[in-house]
Amino acid sequence: SSELTQDPAVSVALGQTVRITCQGDSLRRYYASWYQQKPGQAPILAIYGENNRPSGIPDRFSGSSSGNTASLTITGAQAEDEADYYCNSRDTSGNHVVFGGGTKLTVL
Amino acid sequence: QVQLQESGPGLVKPSQTLSLTCTVSGGSINSGDYYWTWIRQPPGKGLEWIGYIYYSGSTYSTPSLRSRVTISVDTSKNQFSLTLTSVTAADTAVYYCARTPARVRGVIAFDYWGQGTLVTVSS
Repeated sequence: SSELTQDPAVSVALGQTVRITCQGDSLRRYYASWYQQKPGQAPILAIYGENNRPSGIPDRFSGSSSGNTASLTITGAQAEDEADYYCNSRDTSGNHVVFGGGTKLTVL
Repeated sequence: QVQLQESGPGLVKPSQTLSLTCTVSGGSINSGDYYWTWIRQPPGKGLEWIGYIYYSGSTYSTPSLRSRVTISVDTSKNQFSLTLTSVTAADTAVYYCARTPARVRGVIAFDYWGQGTLVTVSS
């Protein structure tokens, strides 16, 4: 399979913890990467590999993986975390790249 | 600090060819450490990987677009380009160029992105 599946929308109360998931067969072999995209802006890499944050990404963002599911966790969500989040990985062939459909995170 | 900047026409007629260039600054495109990538996003929709190119010229593209896509690199200008033939309204999207580290085992990640350019296919 070359698909990654994400919940279309998730909400979290301000200051609480939220987990955004990404499912796909390729995740049994490859790590997911996660991107944050705010309206009118290019995506920003938030997490890659086992659990790596690029410089400038707050440590409240973390990643994990189990079986065919990768997760992005935001511990203590802030208002500025409201955005669309996308996962990506290689597909099962290893030659191509796939994105999940994206999750819209609302911070209440 | 690496920067990427897309350039090209914002309006293309149906059946014609879309051509975009990405100029890389703050780093050399002639490096074996990265793939150089094109990604697009139709208005209100998700991200779609189009393909990427290595400095050597090796390319990989998504099967759904492969027959219409060409990605090339000009190391002398520190640029890489996308051409998409026989466009339709379904190709209307924001087109992004991005950098992808090539040597991270088991990981494909886009660490630097251009700001994106909207290309509209319309007569």
